[in-house]
Amino acid sequence: GAVVSQHPSWVICKSGTSVKIECRSLDFQATTMFWYRQFPKQSLMLMATSNEGSKATYEQGVEKDKFLINHASLTLSTLTVTSAHPEDSSFYICSARVGLGTGGENTNSPLHFGNGTRLTVT
Amino acid sequence: AQTVTQSQPEMSVQEAETVTLSCTYDTSESDYYLFWYKQPPSRQMILVIRQEAYKQQNATENRFSVNFQKAAKSFSLKISDSQLGDAAMYFCAYRTYGSSNTGKLIFGQGTTLQVKP
Repeated sequence: GAVVSQHPSWVICKSGTSVKIECRSLDFQATTMFWYRQFPKQSLMLMATSNEGSKATYEQGVEKDKFLINHASLTLSTLTVTSAHPEDSSFYICSARVGLGTGGENTNSPLHFGNGTRLTVT
Repeated sequence: AQTVTQSQPEMSVQEAETVTLSCTYDTSESDYYLFWYKQPPSRQMILVIRQEAYKQQNATENRFSVNFQKAAKSFSLKISDSQLGDAAMYFCAYRTYGSSNTGKLIFGQGTTLQVKP
């Protein structure tokens, strides 16, 4: 089955620094990837939709200058948390969908999730 | 905008018994997908079951089945013969269908299921 790899699985950084999280589709091409944020025992909240070769679409209330998303290839999207603060500490999960026109499935193909990244900002 | 509501923050069930998790949603769309995802302590999201709104027949996957009531906008998950490995957080999710579908999921608040031996 389709596999999405997310790296790192766990990261600790100091306040004010930036952290980059990678999301890779290992055995399929993904024109669209999604970034979610999850606080402990809470739901997954969509942060942004990442589109290969174009700007990401951010959900209302998500700071695009703080959470930089780059989707430079059909198999890789990155989320960079810039100038991280303790309140950015959370669990970040990406998901990807097989891209149209890539030999994959249709618009209703399922989503595949990465294993998530636990970010702790000290 | 679509919303998904899970009104049961926590549920518990005795091993081998049956439990039902509730989910309601709100949408003005006629075609859509509904999902139940399981998130164990590992935090990995695991698809449990999927229902297309245009299908009247309720989806089933082994011990997991749904009761899909489109008019009532209700989508409950029934777990039969509960096992210790079923203990997890369960999320109900909604996704638009068709050409306007970006693929994004809208999740409910989640229900933590405890399975007692």
